[in-house]
Amino acid sequence: GQNIDQPTEMTATEGAIVQINCTYQTSGFNGLFWYQQHAGEAPTFLSYNVLDGLEEKGRFSSFLSRSKGYSYLLLKELQMKDSASYLCAVPSTGANNLFFGTGTRLTVIP
Amino acid sequence: DADVTQTPRNRITKTGKRIMLECSQTKGHDRMYWYRQDPGLGLRLIYYSFDVKDINKGEISDGYSVSRQAQAKFSLSLESAIPNQTALYFCATSDLGSGIGNEQFFGPGTRLTVL
Repeated sequence: GQNIDQPTEMTATEGAIVQINCTYQTSGFNGLFWYQQHAGEAPTFLSYNVLDGLEEKGRFSSFLSRSKGYSYLLLKELQMKDSASYLCAVPSTGANNLFFGTGTRLTVIP
Repeated sequence: DADVTQTPRNRITKTGKRIMLECSQTKGHDRMYWYRQDPGLGLRLIYYSFDVKDINKGEISDGYSVSRQAQAKFSLSLESAIPNQTALYFCATSDLGSGIGNEQFFGPGTRLTVL
């Protein structure tokens, strides 16, 4: 089976840097996803990590450590529009679908 | 035009009614999924389908049924709606051949309220 732990809520200041952590347990690792979801809207893909290390994509970066079962999403130069939920997800056993964490709701304040 | 569409976007119904939520996609993906989202519980998988002849139960399939009418269409039915099925429902698609694991593309969601 799978299990994912993420903080429920975080608050950060506009212009700052925030790190959202995700720890996971899964049998047979097939990568880790991060999705962004604004309130009432569809989740949208942010990143996919399958190898250890940091993947940078503009203001967003995602890190993975397979040995520790740990990932984080790093958001730099925070903007008000970054206020959203951030969902960590791993493919299920057999990679037939995705198992999502409950998400971290980030609030960016002026 | 949106690649994954859902109808209706909002629906209010009464306990015991039969409800169908529809999903269509123009991405040409074989795999389609139905999720529900509740506050504090995240996205939970109801059913998924890998092609027209393939239907699989997800984590929370009780009280729901699905139909894959074509590659592009996947419908979710609540035969007899109950209040605890009040939730935000998402359809999603994926294509393993995309090279990014099982990246899923979500529709805009259907907000269902059962009174």
